[in-house]
Amino acid sequence: AQKITQTQPGMFVQEKEAVTLDCTYDTSDPSYGLFWYKQPSSGEMIFLIYQGSYDQQNATEGRYSLNFQKARKSANLVISASQLGDSAMYFCASLGVGGSEKLVFGKGTKLTVNP
Amino acid sequence: KAGVTQTPRYLIKTRGQQVTLSCSPISGHRSVSWYQQTPGQGLQFLFEYFSETQRNKGNFPGRFSGRQFSNSRSEMNVSTLELGDSALYLCASSLATGDWNEQFFGPGTRLTVL
Repeated sequence: AQKITQTQPGMFVQEKEAVTLDCTYDTSDPSYGLFWYKQPSSGEMIFLIYQGSYDQQNATEGRYSLNFQKARKSANLVISASQLGDSAMYFCASLGVGGSEKLVFGKGTKLTVNP
Repeated sequence: KAGVTQTPRYLIKTRGQQVTLSCSPISGHRSVSWYQQTPGQGLQFLFEYFSETQRNKGNFPGRFSGRQFSNSRSEMNVSTLELGDSALYLCASSLATGDWNEQFFGPGTRLTVL
């Protein structure tokens, strides 16, 4: 079974500053993937970044980077140079290997970027 | 390439009725998954279809069912609607060819049960 924990219900950041959104996971799968999604108020889930459990380097996608610490079972999302458009819900999710596309999501963190 | 489409976008039903939601995946994607999102329970996995077969199922009552057609389009059906079924229903598609595949989500169908 997999479990994702996001302990920050809400976060505030000033425009142009960096912010870290926390995510810890618990899985019995030997191999797994970790994902971050952004959900604006419109409702659509937007894929941001992905990290495989065997990846040696932390994933980066533009202003997004994933701080993956396997021993601590954490996969924190770092957003650099925050923009007003980054205000949204952010979800961390995991996917076990084994022929199923079942994502397990955390409760999410609501990020507000202040001008 | 067109994204995942879901119809309808909004739906209002009354208790006891049934509803069918539709999802068209990205062309070439063979896996379609459905999720329910509510303020109280968050995002929960309903089921996944791959090549017209249900490959995985979440912990939902039998009132929730789905199917996938040969063109990979999928439908989910909820019978005997309850107030608690009010939610955003999201579908996602993926290639499902490797260990982990990015799932592309549609805009969702917002169902309100009165």
